[in-house]
Amino acid sequence: VQLVESGGGVVQPGRSLRLSCAASGFTFSTYGMYWVRQAPGKGLEWVAVISYDGSKKYYVDSVKGRFTISRDNSKNTLYLQMNSLRAEDRAVYYCAKGHWQGDYVPFDYWGQGTLVTVSS
Amino acid sequence: DIVMTQSPDSLAVSLGERATINCKSSQSVLYRSNNKNYLAWYQQKPGQPPKLLIYWASTRESGVPDRFSGSGSGTDFTLTISSLQAEDVAVYYCQQYYSTPFFGQGTKLEIK
Repeated sequence: VQLVESGGGVVQPGRSLRLSCAASGFTFSTYGMYWVRQAPGKGLEWVAVISYDGSKKYYVDSVKGRFTISRDNSKNTLYLQMNSLRAEDRAVYYCAKGHWQGDYVPFDYWGQGTLVTVSS
Repeated sequence: DIVMTQSPDSLAVSLGERATINCKSSQSVLYRSNNKNYLAWYQQKPGQPPKLLIYWASTRESGVPDRFSGSGSGTDFTLTISSLQAEDVAVYYCQQYYSTPFFGQGTKLEIK
């Protein structure tokens, strides 16, 4: 199993960024996928989850209305569209795989993360 | 939302000694219909992503050494490392997956 995030970088407050997570080594279309972030020196914060078929999506309150999780099962890729970025969104963003099918499950594989910095 | 609170925030233990980390949820994560606790533990070493250690509160993930064990039910849980090794220095997080999967704040484990 391999999860490789990309798309991070430096962006000004109020601007947008799209993260991608390329998955391989498992049947991507049968697992829920997650985004988790970690601000520098801080703990883990779950950001969003998408069901295996994309029909269900849930978000932490702090990103609702600004972030959108999506997936393309034909490309084995997970996305996170981040709009109206704020300084407090600065973090390493990890994608993670659900351990089994279901809305809420533990995460058995994680990517190495991509850093998002929001600064003017 | 179910809030997870870990204690202590940091811990120093001698090599070969037992390390114990506690985790408390703001409401029960025991699902009565299957009698399972929706609680996981992760280990995060510096510069690395987290690694799943335990799920269902006490089931070790494949490949995790048996010195790691989890216990507890309902709202109170414990991660125990029976004999601390140098490679166990890390931050440990509990997580509930009964609902939207919030993490505890983390416990930093160091060598005394």
